[in-house]
Amino acid sequence: QLQLQESGPGLVKPSETLSLTCTVSGGSISSSNYYWGWIRQPPGKGLEWIGSIHYSGSTYYNPSLKSRVTMSVDTSKNQFSLKLSSVTAADTAVYYCARPGQVYSYSGYFDSWGQGTLVTVSS
Amino acid sequence: EIVMTQSPATLSVSPGERATLSCRASQSVSSNLAWYQQKPGQAPRLLIYGASTRAIGIPAKFSGSGSGTEFTLTISSLQSEDFAVYYCQQYNNWPTFGQGTKVEIK
Repeated sequence: QLQLQESGPGLVKPSETLSLTCTVSGGSISSSNYYWGWIRQPPGKGLEWIGSIHYSGSTYYNPSLKSRVTMSVDTSKNQFSLKLSSVTAADTAVYYCARPGQVYSYSGYFDSWGQGTLVTVSS
Repeated sequence: EIVMTQSPATLSVSPGERATLSCRASQSVSSNLAWYQQKPGQAPRLLIYGASTRAIGIPAKFSGSGSGTEFTLTISSLQSEDFAVYYCQQYNNWPTFGQGTKVEIK
């Protein structure tokens, strides 16, 4: 059974870079043609797709965040990562890693989710 | 950006009754529409994809319909575990979500 687990600092200072990692178990990132995604949810608000990455390194980002987002993959550790630069209080959110249910598609319905991790931006 | 608009924002329903939730897209998304259920402190759970196909393990009480720009999620005979927030999401373009409908006990 596929499992995803987010990890990283729960507190980030304004103007710094948020860094999170998603560890995948129960399946290999590099043996499938899925894209792996990040989605966030500010407290009490809705969901926002941040971007998705394929194990080959191909990435797609939300246009509104593109200038600040970098995603990467480490197949040796079966992990993929998110970096969001120049953070402000508006970036405070629960960050989820997730996988679409369709192969070859960065944009799909997400059928596997991590439990989420709260990242607070505050000095 | 395809904007997804859900209505109503809050739906008050008595246990045992049916709930009908709406989702509208700002442009056609064909049938590339999913519905999720989210309970407090939990990740969203996929209910429906392809506008009307139930995800694995989802009971038949959840049904989806629509295509193009207008979509509906129907939950028949609500039980206590069904009271939650429901989101629609289009994946015809880069993914965008609706703002959610909270289904609460009347």
